[in-house]
Amino acid sequence: SYELTQPPSVSVSPGQTARITCSGDALPKQYAYWYQQKPGQAPVLVIYKDSERPSGIPERFSGSSSGTTVTLTISGVQAEDEADYYCQSADSSGTYRVVFGGGTKLTVL
Amino acid sequence: QLQLQESGPGLVKPSETLSLTCTVSGGSISSSSYYWGWIRQPPGKGLEWIGSIYYSGSTYYNPSLKSRVTISVDTSKNQFSLKLSSVTAADTAVYYCARHSGPVAAPSPIDYWGQGTLVTVSS
Repeated sequence: SYELTQPPSVSVSPGQTARITCSGDALPKQYAYWYQQKPGQAPVLVIYKDSERPSGIPERFSGSSSGTTVTLTISGVQAEDEADYYCQSADSSGTYRVVFGGGTKLTVL
Repeated sequence: QLQLQESGPGLVKPSETLSLTCTVSGGSISSSSYYWGWIRQPPGKGLEWIGSIYYSGSTYYNPSLKSRVTISVDTSKNQFSLKLSSVTAADTAVYYCARHSGPVAAPSPIDYWGQGTLVTVSS
């Protein structure tokens, strides 16, 4: 099987910068996507194609890629950003078309 | 505004088949380029892709679930459906229907989600 690895949790104080990583062997070849999920709600796409931001998503959300790791960066974190964040991508063989990372709980202290 | 709504039983007995339908409104399921999929999330756990379908009927499944999953589409009703056979307690989850913004093989992100429906497997 193919896995995307995320840290289980990240904690930051309001106004600071949060960085959430996602690692996978195929990430140099496949785009990654990031979702925000708040309790009791469906996920919301916050980053696509590694670093593009959908309309309506605040500019403080950004994405980057380096080798086998992609990173979601939230600058000037606000209390409302506390949520679970999931990366999504695929393997390079075409066997696993949609794979999610295990998720990272962002806590705003 | 596109909307997706899951429907189906909230309780299924072990060994039986889970059946859910997703009704799409505000847009056509036959629109080119979009794929339609099912994702689930066990209570307190992460997201798991189940499978996706194109309006023509072309399907992609998660290899780990493929032997138990069937996804179908009914363009006349603007709906697509999920059947998961031989369920166990491990299949208890919130099931989401969703739209991929492009080909599943790209891969492409999911830009619209249903609200999700909790299905519990229990006798």
